[in-house]
Amino acid sequence: EAGVTQSPTHLIKTRGQQATLRCSPISGHTSVYWYQQALGLGLQFLLWYDEGEERNRGNFPPRFSGRQFPNYSSELNVNALELEDSALYLCASSLGRFDEQYFGPGTRLTVT
Amino acid sequence: QQQVKQSPQSLIVQKGGIPIINCAYENTAFDYFPWYQQFPGKGPALLIAIRPDVSEKKEGRFTISFNKSAKQFSLHIMDSQPGDSATYFCAASKGGHDMRFGAGTRLTVKP
Repeated sequence: EAGVTQSPTHLIKTRGQQATLRCSPISGHTSVYWYQQALGLGLQFLLWYDEGEERNRGNFPPRFSGRQFPNYSSELNVNALELEDSALYLCASSLGRFDEQYFGPGTRLTVT
Repeated sequence: QQQVKQSPQSLIVQKGGIPIINCAYENTAFDYFPWYQQFPGKGPALLIAIRPDVSEKKEGRFTISFNKSAKQFSLHIMDSQPGDSATYFCAASKGGHDMRFGAGTRLTVKP
């Protein structure tokens, strides 16, 4: 069974640009979560999507947004990129809202 | 707004030793406490998880001890191996979502 996949692996953008990150959950999983992991730091919860709806968001500005598609894949958009947005962005999926989360390998975003 | 405090930040043990990583949480509504293992360049992988209705859970060489009254839980790795060298994260959530992670513990197991 394929795990959570994310694309691209690496993304380099300049300050002020927009970045789009994509995530495909494990087959059958309906919930998708996004986390930011800055270098040397823990994971910070960004967004949670379930059944196509945004269910919760962490303490991040509105320029962090996303959506979930009918096939349960998801994308994270970061507008007006700032240098401190440089981080590993992790996507996780779960079978339902109360189940274990399984992580993808992440997208390394570098803002110059 | 860190709600889960993890210690130590780093830990070095000899092969066969028993590293112990501790976490404390604040929100008494949390009802799910997983541990994740992360190798460099990889996403975190679920290792073991516990719910507050039990005080201990074992899976292979990994054991979670949970103290609900103290709002603390810990991970013990029995007979640690060099392959266990990784960063370990504890987490807590209510209902499995809005997961709050600890800052991580970098474990090194020396041969």
